[in-house]
Amino acid sequence: DAMVIQNPRYQVTQFGKPVTLSCSQTLNHNVMYWYQQKSSQAPKLLFHYYDKDFNNEADTPDNFQSRRPNTSFCFLDIRSPGLGDAAMYLCATSNPPEAFFGQGTRLTVV
Amino acid sequence: RKEVEQDPGPFNVPEGATVAFNCTYSNSASQSFFWYRQDCRKEPKLLMSVYSSGNEDGRFTAQLNRASQYISLLIRDSKLSDSATYLCVVNVLGNSGYALNFGKGTSLLVTP
Repeated sequence: DAMVIQNPRYQVTQFGKPVTLSCSQTLNHNVMYWYQQKSSQAPKLLFHYYDKDFNNEADTPDNFQSRRPNTSFCFLDIRSPGLGDAAMYLCATSNPPEAFFGQGTRLTVV
Repeated sequence: RKEVEQDPGPFNVPEGATVAFNCTYSNSASQSFFWYRQDCRKEPKLLMSVYSSGNEDGRFTAQLNRASQYISLLIRDSKLSDSATYLCVVNVLGNSGYALNFGKGTSLLVTP
């Protein structure tokens, strides 16, 4: 059974139209991460939560926001997607130190 | 200098070969080390953790050298199903909690 679930698996959005990606976990892990991975590149950390404490990476654009309403759920909001935001978005949880990933959401911007 | 560096490959090896991947990290405060495997268009999956004493899981052996800030992964008797990208991952505890830093990955293709 999947322990880190991302929805949707594939998302197509229009240029500039806000989009939200979701992640849920059944592991009760206190750390949740959002990564962006573009083709042939390493996953790039956007931000993470340690419980309710939000930690933004210095180079994460303001266009990207996140919410964690409870332990199980975490959302990635892209306020105005650009063509350069097309990527695989990976959610991971950790207890720590090992991390477990969801299957990812592949975002296409048209 | 990148925090985690790997030879991107690709490594093309015949079935049954032994192949080794290397990884270096720059942050001496790094605390935990892992190898993840990522198949094309799939999510990374934990392959194994890496300890200073070295650890082995079947055909896979991982080693950590903290003094040299170097991590390795050895795959013996390669199978076709080992073809994937292998990601070196370093966990650093900073002021804002744990952060997982990924290398770019090393691509492996095992051929018949």
